[in-house]
Amino acid sequence: NAGVMQNPRHLVRRRGQEARLRCSPMKGHSHVYWYRQLPEEGLKFMVYLQKENIIDESGMPKERFSAEFPKEGPSILRIQQVVRGDSAAYFCASSQLVGSRTDTQYFGPGTRLTVL
Amino acid sequence: GDSVTQMEGPVTLSEEAFLTINCTYTATGYPSLFWYVQYPGEGLQLLLKATKADDKGSNKGFEATYRKETTSFHLEKGSVQVSDSAVYFCALSDSGNNAGNMLTFGGGTRLMVKP
Repeated sequence: NAGVMQNPRHLVRRRGQEARLRCSPMKGHSHVYWYRQLPEEGLKFMVYLQKENIIDESGMPKERFSAEFPKEGPSILRIQQVVRGDSAAYFCASSQLVGSRTDTQYFGPGTRLTVL
Repeated sequence: GDSVTQMEGPVTLSEEAFLTINCTYTATGYPSLFWYVQYPGEGLQLLLKATKADDKGSNKGFEATYRKETTSFHLEKGSVQVSDSAVYFCALSDSGNNAGNMLTFGGGTRLMVKP
């Protein structure tokens, strides 16, 4: 059973460009979470999605950031007009529904975004 | 809001030494508690978890006990190895205040084990 897949693993963008980060959850998992890890810091929650729905985006910056999890295909985290402060590692996690609660989250290897 | 506080690192130990990494939390509901480990250049791996008071999570020689009275979930290992060198994150999931069990992380503790 393949784990959570993320691509690309490393992404370099110049200021003002767009960054697209992809996440394929584990097989059978319908819940996806995105977290951001700034250098030498812990992970901070950004957004929680189920298929075709954003459930909680309380951790997303109000501008330039968006996320989707379509019916088919991976979840996408999109950052428009990137700035140097967006440089970070972005981790995706997935979980499945067990009863009425979501289960343990399993993390992907992350995408390390560098903005020049 | 929810928060997790970990001891600051780096923690440097010799091989076979005893390890304790302290973790305390505040939560509005009744959280589940986790320890994740991050090896250099990699993502997070679940190390262990506990879902209710007095539960003990254990894996690969690591242990942590959910202490509701002290709101703590300290990580311990009796004899560390060089291969345990990594960053350790304590986290909680508080289903009492959010629809999905988003994780709140501590700042991480870097462990360095010397031969």
